[in-house]
Amino acid sequence: KQEVTQIPAALSVPEGENLVLNCSFTDSAIYNLQWFRQDPGKGLTSLLLIQSSQREQTSGRLNASLDKSSGRSTLYIAASQPGDSATYLCAVLDNNDMRFGAGTRLTVKP
Amino acid sequence: GAVVSQHPSRVICKSGTSVKIECRSLDFQATTMFWYRQFPKKSLMLMATSNEGSKATYEQGVEKDKFLINHASLTLSTLTVTSAHPEDSSFYICSAEDRAFSSGANVLTFGAGSRLTVL
Repeated sequence: KQEVTQIPAALSVPEGENLVLNCSFTDSAIYNLQWFRQDPGKGLTSLLLIQSSQREQTSGRLNASLDKSSGRSTLYIAASQPGDSATYLCAVLDNNDMRFGAGTRLTVKP
Repeated sequence: GAVVSQHPSRVICKSGTSVKIECRSLDFQATTMFWYRQFPKKSLMLMATSNEGSKATYEQGVEKDKFLINHASLTLSTLTVTSAHPEDSSFYICSAEDRAFSSGANVLTFGAGSRLTVL
């Protein structure tokens, strides 16, 4: 059974700092991996989608990498801003089931 | 920890029939539940936000008459795909927000998803 783990569970950084969020999964036979953002009281917002054949995706200040063989993905956020404060979740799609990590709650202090 | 049960996990139906998918929060009360759809090789798409006791809020482009959402209790929301067609075949997933944390820690728990195949 696929298990997805996110470390750290919570992170607080000063504005402007670069940061990395980690996601690991136990079964490397995945179809794709996604990073999402979740704001209080709202649904998920998709940030980046990495297909199993890809190694990274970039969007603005965000860069996500995927190392399928080691079961790891990282989400790099450059020059963090208070508006980046949210919970970030990674999810893997494997064999028709989607598994989510528990999320990392990020707080960026002004 | 919080658990969300989604049923059925897989369903195959004939074109023109309706299919109901249930999303239950097993050990917490969920004032808000979200329904998503996963398109092949694409990211998850939010379909609607369901609040207990009120009408669901649908995202732009989602047909509310086709995807009926009911959230009659604090532990159950249902998505009914009416008059299903092959293009409705997809992976549908729900998530629930724990009422106890709705004002603070924004804890979302996801169901395992439902794979719908319309023949």
